[in-house]
Amino acid sequence: DTEVTQTPKHLVMGMTNKKSLKCEQHMGHRAMYWYKQKAKKPPELMFVYSYEKLSINESVPSRFSPECPNSSLLNLHLHALQPEDSALYLCASSQVENLEGLGAGGELFFGEGSRLTVL
Amino acid sequence: AQSVTQLGSHVSVSEGALVLLRCNYSSSVPPYLFWYVQYPNQGLQLLLKYTTGATLVKGINGFEAEFKKSETSFHLTKPSAHMSDAAEYFCAVSVESSASKIIFGSGTRLSIRP
Repeated sequence: DTEVTQTPKHLVMGMTNKKSLKCEQHMGHRAMYWYKQKAKKPPELMFVYSYEKLSINESVPSRFSPECPNSSLLNLHLHALQPEDSALYLCASSQVENLEGLGAGGELFFGEGSRLTVL
Repeated sequence: AQSVTQLGSHVSVSEGALVLLRCNYSSSVPPYLFWYVQYPNQGLQLLLKYTTGATLVKGINGFEAEFKKSETSFHLTKPSAHMSDAAEYFCAVSVESSASKIIFGSGTRLSIRP
C-alpha cells in the first residue's frame, strides 16, 4: 500500500473547468513534488515544495497552480487546461529535498497518480 | 550533467527465465542510482537504490542490481521471472543528494510469456 494518497484517481474536465488534484502523505516528509507523465514516457518534474515553500517550478504554464497548505498536503489547481495536458499526474514526497552530507540518496515515494483527461 | 540510458524499450522473457534490464549512466561524479517499477495504472515504486558501499544491491521482489563503475552500468536482474513482474521499469540517476535532481531513463517495458 502506498503511503502517498492521491485523489481523485480519475478526472475528466472541459477546457473551461476549474478542478484540483489532491495529495496527502503522513510519513513526516518535508519535500513534496508534482510530476506529469505521458503514456510510455518517464515522469517529468513540474513543481517541488520544500518545507511548504515552492522551491522549484520547471517552467510550468500558469494554468497549473500548486499549493502546499501544510507539510502533509499538496494540491494542484487546474484551470483552462488544454487537451495536451491530459496525462497521469503523480505526487511524490521525500524526507527532505536535499540530503547533502547525509548520504541517503534522495529516495522518492510516489502516489498512484491522478489520470486527467481534458476534453 | 548526468544522464541515463536504458537499452531496450521492451524486453520479453518466459516465466521462470532470467530477467536482465540494462541501464547505463553518464556522470562526472559518483552517482546515486535507482530502479523504480511502475505497474499498470499505478505510481512508481522504488525497487532498489545504490548510494555508497556494496556495489551489489538487493531490492524487493527478488530483484538486484550491480553498480559497475568501470562500465558505467547499473543493470537490473532477477533469476526467475514471474508473471507479476510485468511492468514498466525506470532506471534513474542523481549526482546530488537532492530528490528533485533525479533524472529518469526512458523506461523498459517488461513482458512475461507463460
